[in-house]
Amino acid sequence: AQRVTQPEKLLSVFKGAPVELKCNYSYSGSPELFWYVQYSRQRLQLLLRHISRESIKGFTADLNKGETSFHLKKPFAQEEDSAMYYCALRGSGNQFYFGTGTSLTVIP
Amino acid sequence: GAVVSQHPSRVICKSGTSVKIECRSLDFQATTMFWYRQFPKQSLMLMATSNEGSKATYEQGVEKDKFLINHASLTLSTLTVTSAHPEDSSFYICSARMDPNTGELFFGEGSRLTVL
Repeated sequence: AQRVTQPEKLLSVFKGAPVELKCNYSYSGSPELFWYVQYSRQRLQLLLRHISRESIKGFTADLNKGETSFHLKKPFAQEEDSAMYYCALRGSGNQFYFGTGTSLTVIP
Repeated sequence: GAVVSQHPSRVICKSGTSVKIECRSLDFQATTMFWYRQFPKQSLMLMATSNEGSKATYEQGVEKDKFLINHASLTLSTLTVTSAHPEDSSFYICSARMDPNTGELFFGEGSRLTVL
C-alpha cells in the first residue's frame, strides 16, 4: 500500500540556516512525488514536483529511489518560508496521498 | 492561477441530518476532483476520487453510502454527508486537477463541518 511519511511534525530553524524537511514514501510502482505548502490563512498550493527538477523559492528536492525519500531542502531559510509543508505521492490510479505535514518555523 | 471554491466554509448541523458541500472549479474544467478529510493536527486523508460523469472511486474504509459524491459537471462536485453524526465533524477539503498530465492540484479553502 502507498504511504507517505513525514517524521517531523514541527521544525524550527534560524533565519539563514539550512533547512531540510524529510519525506519517505512506500509505493510498489514508480511514483511521482510532490511538495505542497500551506502558508498561514491560505490554501494548499503546489511548491514543486520531482519530475520538473526545478528550484522554487530556493527549495529543491531530489527523489532518491534507493532510500525511497524525497527530502525538501533550502540552503538559507527565510522568515517567509514559515508554513506547513506536505509531501505527496501520486499513484498509478491518479490518486494523491499526503503525508502528515511538517510545520516549519523560521526564527528571525 | 486556477481557482477552486468550496461552499459552505463552515456548517453546523444536528445529528441525523444531511449536509452537502460543493466544490467548484471557477476558471477551468476539472475532469477529476478529489475529496479529502483532515483531522486536527493530522494529514489530509483521501476519501474519494470524483470523476465527471461516472461514479466516484472511494478509498478503502470510506463508506460510500455515508459520503455521497456527485460530479455532474466539469466544474462542480458535491459531497453529501448523510445522516451526520458527531464523529463526522471534520475539515473537508476538495481539490481539482486542471491538466491530467501534471500533478498540480488546486485546492479549495475547505469546509468545517460540526455535527451537534
